[in-house]
Formats: sequence, structure tokens, C-alpha cells
Amino acid sequence: AQTVTQSQPEMSVQEAETVTLSCTYDTSESDYYLFWYKQPPSRQMILVIRQEAYKQQNATENRFSVNFQKAAKSFSLKISDSQLGDAAMYFCAYRRASGSRLTFGEGTQLTVNP
Amino acid sequence: DADVTQTPRNRITKTGKRIMLECSQTKGHDRMYWYRQDPGLGLRLIYYSFDVKDINKGEISDGYSVSRQAQAKFSLSLESAIPNQTALYFCATSDSGPRSHNEQFFGPGTRLTVL
Repeated sequence: AQTVTQSQPEMSVQEAETVTLSCTYDTSESDYYLFWYKQPPSRQMILVIRQEAYKQQNATENRFSVNFQKAAKSFSLKISDSQLGDAAMYFCAYRRASGSRLTFGEGTQLTVNP
Repeated sequence: DADVTQTPRNRITKTGKRIMLECSQTKGHDRMYWYRQDPGLGLRLIYYSFDVKDINKGEISDGYSVSRQAQAKFSLSLESAIPNQTALYFCATSDSGPRSHNEQFFGPGTRLTVL
């Protein structure tokens, strides 16, 4: 069975600085997707970024980028120029390419200090 | 209007009561899911449905049942609620089409408290 682990229950960052959230996963599959979701206090789950395992290039969405290390089964999220609105719970998630079920990590609560 | 809606948004109930959480979507997606979120555990899959006639158990289906009344509606029932079912519940949808990446879209969540 696939597992996803986020070893940082809480992180904090100063406004305008950069923070990296860690995620590791375990799978025997070679083709899969990895995701980062953001959950602000409104509870809404918002997709931040998606990485396809067969693509070597790291995904980037504006201030959000990932460091995808397939051999190490690591998938970290870097937030640059952190803003107060980035404060949220962040979840890492995995899905087999041929499936649709998501497996989530435990979450990392990010605080952004002014 | 929101593409995925959940009712109620918040509910407090007592042990032993039957509760139904409802999910509706206007995205035209064929696949629907129910998750529960607990602190420190992330989101875990309860049930999922690939179409009206296809219902599947997820990781933690015990104590829950579902009904896919139509492509756009997927309900989650707690036949006899217990306190450890207190959680945040999410409905999600996805499209099985070739260009969709099967991306899941989430509803706003239902906060359920069982006393």
C-alpha cells in the first residue's frame, strides 16, 4: 500500500522569506502523480501544484515550486516570497497514474509571521 | 455558484442518531469520493464511486454507508453515530476523461460533531 509522510507538523516563516515543506512517500509504482493541497482556515481544499512522476522537470506555479526526487521518493514544496495569505495547512498527496484514489500525508501547518 | 456543494456545513448530533451528509456537483464528473479529515491524520478515503452503479469501499468504511442517487449526487450516511466519528468530512469529484489527470475537486466540507 502507498503511504505518504509529512514529518513537519508545524512550520513558520517570516513574510517575504522562503520556506520548504517536506514530504516522502512509499510506492512500488513507477507512474504516478504527486500533489500539494492548501487548506486555509476556510477549510477549502485548494490544489497548489501537481507533479507527474514521468516528468523529470520540477513543477512550478508562480511562487510555488517542488523538488521532486523520484529515486529518494521525496517531494518537497518551496514557497518563495511568503505572504500572509500563504498561512494554511498543507497536504501532500499521491495517486497512481492509472487510479483515482488519493493518499494524503498528515499535513503541515504553516504560519507566516509579519 | 460552487461546483461541489455539501450540506449541511456544520452539524452537531448525539450518539446513536442516524446522520446523512449530502454532496452535489455541477461539474458533470462521473467519479465522486467521501473523505474524513482528523487532526494529525490528514484525509482518509471512506467510499468512492466511479458511476451510479459502481460503489467501492475506501480505507475506513466501517460505520458508514453511501448512496449514489444520480451522477451528480453522492450521500454519506452514519447509521448510528458515535463520538469517534467527529471529524471534518469532504466530498470530492473527478472526471475520468483522458485530459483530466483525474484531478479531484473538493467541496467546502462538513464539520460533524457527535456528542
